[in-house]
Amino acid sequence: SQQGEEDPQALSIQEGENATMNCSYKTSINNLQWYRQNSGRGLVHLILIRSNEREKHSGRLRVTLDTSKKSSSLLITASRAADTASYFCATDAPGTYKYIFGTGTRLKVLA
Amino acid sequence: EAGVAQSPRYKIIEKRQSVAFWCNPISGHATLYWYQQILGQGPKLLIQFQNNGVVDDSQLPKDRFSAERLKGVDSTLKIQPAKLEDSAVYLCASSLDPRTGLGYGYTFGSGTRLTVV
Repeated sequence: SQQGEEDPQALSIQEGENATMNCSYKTSINNLQWYRQNSGRGLVHLILIRSNEREKHSGRLRVTLDTSKKSSSLLITASRAADTASYFCATDAPGTYKYIFGTGTRLKVLA
Repeated sequence: EAGVAQSPRYKIIEKRQSVAFWCNPISGHATLYWYQQILGQGPKLLIQFQNNGVVDDSQLPKDRFSAERLKGVDSTLKIQPAKLEDSAVYLCASSLDPRTGLGYGYTFGSGTRLTVV
């Protein structure tokens, strides 16, 4: 079974707008990651955030983590057509040393 | 550094046939994972290796799937016999030893797209 669920399942925005995706998970975690997957390709690692961190930034990406609510969000600012992809969160529970992936958010950025 | 290599890129087989996928991880990555991704879903872990030992294969359908990691480097995943529901993308990923507690990320290969007809 999958640990996380992303919300929304699909998102369509105009170029230049911000995109926000949410991830909820069920059990305690060590780390949470966000990955991007372009159609028909492998997954690309975006950001890793540890359970004792609340926010991380990387370029136009901002990730927040709220362990009390078991949720994370990924914000992409000033979106571009090239950001069109599926985005997945993945979590690893303490002692398991493996990531379980969520169901994904399909983002479409319209030029 | 070179990425995770997978082959073949695409494979079409008839049901009940057998198929094998190959993965070469990033040099020095102790941990190797095989995931199955059905269209429209997130990747599902099939098996996890630490060096050449199996750490977790609880989600591997062992009646038809098998995997090995030769000398703790390359890995092969085999399906025999294949069923229609095995149609999916098979992804290989590797990482540094996650037990270091330093926070680890996966590097994924491009995947093998399997179609069973």
